[in-house]
Amino acid sequence: EPEVTQTPSHQVTQMGQEVILRCVPISNHLYFYWYRQILGQKVEFLVSFYNNEISEKSEIFDDQFSVERPDGSNFTLKIRSTKLEDSAMYFCASSLTDYGYTFGSGTRLTVV
Amino acid sequence: GQNIDQPTEMTATEGAIVQINCTYQTSGFNGLFWYQQHAGEAPTFLSYNVLDGLEEKGRFSSFLSRSKGYSYLLLKELQMKDSASYLCAVRGRDGNKLVFGAGTILRVKS
Repeated sequence: EPEVTQTPSHQVTQMGQEVILRCVPISNHLYFYWYRQILGQKVEFLVSFYNNEISEKSEIFDDQFSVERPDGSNFTLKIRSTKLEDSAMYFCASSLTDYGYTFGSGTRLTVV
Repeated sequence: GQNIDQPTEMTATEGAIVQINCTYQTSGFNGLFWYQQHAGEAPTFLSYNVLDGLEEKGRFSSFLSRSKGYSYLLLKELQMKDSASYLCAVRGRDGNKLVFGAGTILRVKS
């Protein structure tokens, strides 16, 4: 069964550093998303991406966040200057239609 | 805005049936999803309802009443591996984003 792949599975970074989280969505999917889940809290929407541009973003997704689809397969989330409160599990998801989202296994980001 | 409520925790016995409820208040509605999430893992898709009624898929069923802003997930013949968090998520009328509830932790005991 096709899956969404995320790398790395764990990332530890110092506060103020930049991190790039990488995702390879399912190849024929058209919609791409980033969600995050702070430990013990609910899954929160960050951003959706369609047709090579951001289609929607939450208030969490401020100027320190950016997304990119640098080639036909990768979808990245960059956090420019990490803060302690950015520590969370970050999930990439993709979908072909407007339902049937498939989530990746996540990247656990720890900011120290 | 959107608000989604589900019980925090439930406990049930192996082999039994359990119903996990979800109520929502949204500015628009375009589908309700149930996901299963084991600790430290990604949410995995269980069911999708956009019209009123019951959707059945093996041991799992999901019901939706749009007029009441209410859904439930029914798990039959519970197995120990069903111990997990069950997430209710709603998609609003604008865009494709999902808004998740806090999840219901289900503990299955033998």
